[in-house]
Amino acid sequence: EADIYQTPRYLVIGTGKKITLECSQTMGHDKMYWYQQDPGMELHLIHYSYGVNSTEKGDLSSESTVSRIRTEHFPLTLESARPSHTSQYLCASGLAGGPNIQYFGAGTRLSVL
Amino acid sequence: AQSVTQLDSQVPVFEEAPVELRCNYSSSVSVYLFWYVQYPNQGLQLLLKYLSGSTLVKGINGFEAEFNKSQTSFHLRKPSVHISDTAEYFCAVSDRGGADGLTFGKGTHLIIQP
Repeated sequence: EADIYQTPRYLVIGTGKKITLECSQTMGHDKMYWYQQDPGMELHLIHYSYGVNSTEKGDLSSESTVSRIRTEHFPLTLESARPSHTSQYLCASGLAGGPNIQYFGAGTRLSVL
Repeated sequence: AQSVTQLDSQVPVFEEAPVELRCNYSSSVSVYLFWYVQYPNQGLQLLLKYLSGSTLVKGINGFEAEFNKSQTSFHLRKPSVHISDTAEYFCAVSDRGGADGLTFGKGTHLIIQP
């Protein structure tokens, strides 16, 4: 069983605020990912990282940014939240190489008013 | 690029009945295939995966799936469902050479009726 943690689980915030969604994993996985999931829809990859100091944009364009200063930590930041950012954000991690098996956190449900 | 199609957005089934959730994919390269389950207000949990070898793979909670290369399908089955199987099920694909994320289908909501 994977240990990957996301905080907060729920966040309601006003337009224009800066927010950071936290994601931490204790498995020592090199690869980490952020997905965005709208209700009733599939997950879309917005950011990923191969390891420390590595960040890449995913298939879905996002105004968010990420950083990877430590292997276990992969926070996502929105400088100025807007209602269009309302969604669920899921973090995942996996081993480098091999068949790309990913382990997911419980997600952060973000509502921007 | 890959894509995943889950043909049924919602599948109602009576408790103890069998169920099949359908998944078709398209890809120009060889792939790995996955099924994940998402219970309400939770993240995704890996149910099972096809990496290579036997085309019939068994997962947790009594689920199994069969990889059919000619039909590019990876349907999920369970011979007898329980109320606790009520959840959203996602099929996902990853190409064998890349390190990018998974490509997901839109999900199938499995509804178990007593």
